[in-house]
Amino acid sequence: ETGVTQTPRHLVMGMTNKKSLKCEQHLGHNAMYWYKQSAKKPLELMFVYNFKEQTENNSVPSRFSPECPNSSHLFLHLHTLQPEDSALYLCASSQNRGQVDGYTFGSGTRLTVV
Amino acid sequence: QKEVEQDPGPLSVPEGAIVSLNCTYSNSAFQYFMWYRQYSRKGPELLMYTYSSGNKEDGRFTAQVDKSSKYISLFIRDSQPSDSATYLCAMSAGRGSTLGRLYFGRGTQLTVWP
Repeated sequence: ETGVTQTPRHLVMGMTNKKSLKCEQHLGHNAMYWYKQSAKKPLELMFVYNFKEQTENNSVPSRFSPECPNSSHLFLHLHTLQPEDSALYLCASSQNRGQVDGYTFGSGTRLTVV
Repeated sequence: QKEVEQDPGPLSVPEGAIVSLNCTYSNSAFQYFMWYRQYSRKGPELLMYTYSSGNKEDGRFTAQVDKSSKYISLFIRDSQPSDSATYLCAMSAGRGSTLGRLYFGRGTQLTVWP
């Protein structure tokens, strides 16, 4: 098991539901990331947090709302999603933001929007 | 034009074959090049990391970077069924908060059959 844990592993939600994805890292890293992985598409960076501060929002729709209460935990709050939001959502961490050879990914949450 | 191009495959080879995986890119500022391996229902894990042009070998794996051609390769010698996974290339312009963003290819799905 990696040092980055994501829950739940699978999630099915209706378009009117509100749910949250959780990520926890036990590596002592200071930077955390949310990525979206859709079929046949490259990983898309969504958000970057560095020392609990959001440093990047890659033009993500407001129906995705991140939260980083401390350097070890990262959440992605979801509401009024669309079917095209169905994807694998990956959390990653690195010692510092920009340490390109030091990313550790979690196993992801497989999200299905119905 | 996409930042990083990668043939998604699928690629199917017999055990013991030499596998060649490739990516091309358009941004001449990229200096850091990585290969990730992603098993089914898992997150990506870093396999190889190379800075600038040249070759790097690690066991059965060799990574090559040709910056003049904007072309990177991953070779797997004596491939094993356990190598069956999706291989993602990733690259970055550099370290640091303004440069450390990773750009991923779509991934190539590899199956090694016994």
